Amino acid sequence: EPEVTQTPSHQVTQMGQEVILRCVPISNHLYFYWYRQILGQKVEFLVSFYNNEISEKSEIFDDQFSVERPDGSNFTLKIRSTKLEDSAMYFCASTPGTTSGEQYFGPGTRLTVT
Amino acid sequence: AQSVTQPDIHITVSEGASLELRCNYSYGATPYLFWYVQSPGQGLQLLLKYFSGDTLVQGIKGFEAEFKRSQSSFNLRKPSVHWSDAAEYFCAVGARQAGTALIFGKGTTLSVSS
Repeated sequence: EPEVTQTPSHQVTQMGQEVILRCVPISNHLYFYWYRQILGQKVEFLVSFYNNEISEKSEIFDDQFSVERPDGSNFTLKIRSTKLEDSAMYFCASTPGTTSGEQYFGPGTRLTVT
Repeated sequence: AQSVTQPDIHITVSEGASLELRCNYSYGATPYLFWYVQSPGQGLQLLLKYFSGDTLVQGIKGFEAEFKRSQSSFNLRKPSVHWSDAAEYFCAVGARQAGTALIFGKGTTLSVSS
């Protein structure tokens, strides 16, 4: 069964460094998303992406964040200058079509900012 | 405001006993409702979803959920719990349109005792 994959599974970085989290959504899916889950808290929406444009973003998704689909398979989240509070599990998700709200999640990347 | 409430932070159930996890939501539009399960170190797996029609929906692993519009609830049930069901369970609500954010509850941790 097709799955969303994410790399790396764990990323450790120093405060102020740039990080790029990578995702390969399910093939032929059209919408892509990033969510984060700070330890012990609920899963929070960051951004959705469709047709090479941001479709919706939350107030968390400020100028420090950016997303890109650099090729036909990858979907990336970049954090330009990481802060301690960016430490979280980051989940990528994808949706098959334009009429379905169903989202399929990847296993997540745990980001630790020291 | 749009929100999902899972009133029980932690539930312990004996193996073989029945289970009900509660979920209440507040959402302005017609809601799409989801239950996801997260095992330790794993991503979010979709258990079941409700879009429309029959208010009792069946999911994977023997789970079911009932949508009650009058109570704004979408409770998850299982008749007989297995030790492998120990995990964290998240209720989520979203819009019919793809690309919109899912709003998650804080989750309920299920422990299964032998």
